Amino acid sequence: GENVEQHPSTLSVQEGDSAVIKCTYSDSASNYFPWYKQELGKRPQLIIDIRSNVGEKKDQRIAVTLNKTAKHFSLHITETQPEDSAVYFCAASIKGAQKLVFGQGTRLTINP
Amino acid sequence: EAQVTQNPRYLITVTGKKLTVTCSQNMNHEYMSWYRQDPGLGLRQIYYSMNVEVTDKGDVPEGYKVSRKEKRNFPLILESPSPNQTSLYFCASRGHGGYTFGSGTRLTVV
Repeated sequence: GENVEQHPSTLSVQEGDSAVIKCTYSDSASNYFPWYKQELGKRPQLIIDIRSNVGEKKDQRIAVTLNKTAKHFSLHITETQPEDSAVYFCAASIKGAQKLVFGQGTRLTINP
Repeated sequence: EAQVTQNPRYLITVTGKKLTVTCSQNMNHEYMSWYRQDPGLGLRQIYYSMNVEVTDKGDVPEGYKVSRKEKRNFPLILESPSPNQTSLYFCASRGHGGYTFGSGTRLTVV
């Protein structure tokens, strides 16, 4: 089945700098790649997603890129702010999102 | 307000004592799923349901049961809980806007 690997497990950046989190997936049939943000003690919340017919998607300070050939996708956060501190999860779905497989998570800390 | 409601939020129980975690959504979603979250392992799918009376195993179904008698409800049942089921559990439903997660249930089995 699908396997999603996420790196790094922890990431610390200075406020205002950019942060990049990378994920790889194993099943070329995957066609939907969401990213979730989970603040301490709260539920995961969708922040951005991309489908396999698109190479890049942006939403203000957040962007996601997808390389189908290499089977990897990345989350880019620019001009980081303290409220960006959280755990971020990537995920991949197989065959129309019937099953969503998550990466292991990245704990992002923004240092003031 | 569109939401997924889980209960209870916190539960401490003893090994072998049957328990049920309830999940309800008000978005008329057909697809619902249960995940467990453990440090360093991310979220792993336990069971999912494509519609009423249609359920299937996820990646870690051992020790769990589910039922889907109504579209809005998808309870998670632990018939005989064991300490390795101590975890943070999330219910989710899926619509056109992606997955919506419940607030989570932190279960401790002693």
